[in-house]
Amino acid sequence: AQSVTQPDIHITVSEGASLELRCNYSYGATPYLFWYVQSPGQGLQLLLKYFSGDTLVQGIKGFEAEFKRSQSSFNLRKPSVHWSDAAEYFCAVGISNSGYALNFGKGTSLLVTP
Amino acid sequence: NAGVTQTPKFRVLKTGQSMTLLCAQDMNHEYMYWYRQDPGMGLRLIHYSVGEGTTAKGEVPDGYNVSRLKKQNFLLGLESAAPSQTSVYFCASARPTSGATSTDTQYFGPGTRLTVL
Repeated sequence: AQSVTQPDIHITVSEGASLELRCNYSYGATPYLFWYVQSPGQGLQLLLKYFSGDTLVQGIKGFEAEFKRSQSSFNLRKPSVHWSDAAEYFCAVGISNSGYALNFGKGTSLLVTP
Repeated sequence: NAGVTQTPKFRVLKTGQSMTLLCAQDMNHEYMYWYRQDPGMGLRLIHYSVGEGTTAKGEVPDGYNVSRLKKQNFLLGLESAAPSQTSVYFCASARPTSGATSTDTQYFGPGTRLTVL
């Protein structure tokens, strides 16, 4: 079954520092992978997605993610974090036998310190 | 273009009461989904629909029913609410990609915060 693991529950970074959020997936074929962000009390906003092609994907708000098949990973990165990036980040994989619903990781909570 | 809207935004129920959550989308999407979000659990799929008049169970369907009588609406019902159904409920919609090998971006509603006492 397709599944996603986000190893880090909480991450704290200083404003201006670089960020990498980890995501590992379990899926036999090429997965459809997504990163969503959720600000407190808000819905989910898509940051970026990977379906095929170039393994380095650019998203909104300066985020990028790299698909690495050999490592079964789809890590999210940002070179310089802003205080407004503090939020919950979810990695997700499309589930082919459930109408391509999303199977979400449990999320990583990002705290940005001054 | 409102995207995905959910009604109500907040609700408090007593154990055993019933209610219906309404999700509406104006993007003409074929696929619609109901998820619940609980602390430390991420989002889990309750039910989904791949078209008008069709619904299917997701990962955590017990205690819920759904209906998709109109393409733009997806209703989630709780017949007899239980405290374990206290959660934030999100609706999402998407369209299939060419060849229906996946869906494009899923668009999420703002959520309904439900408390069952």
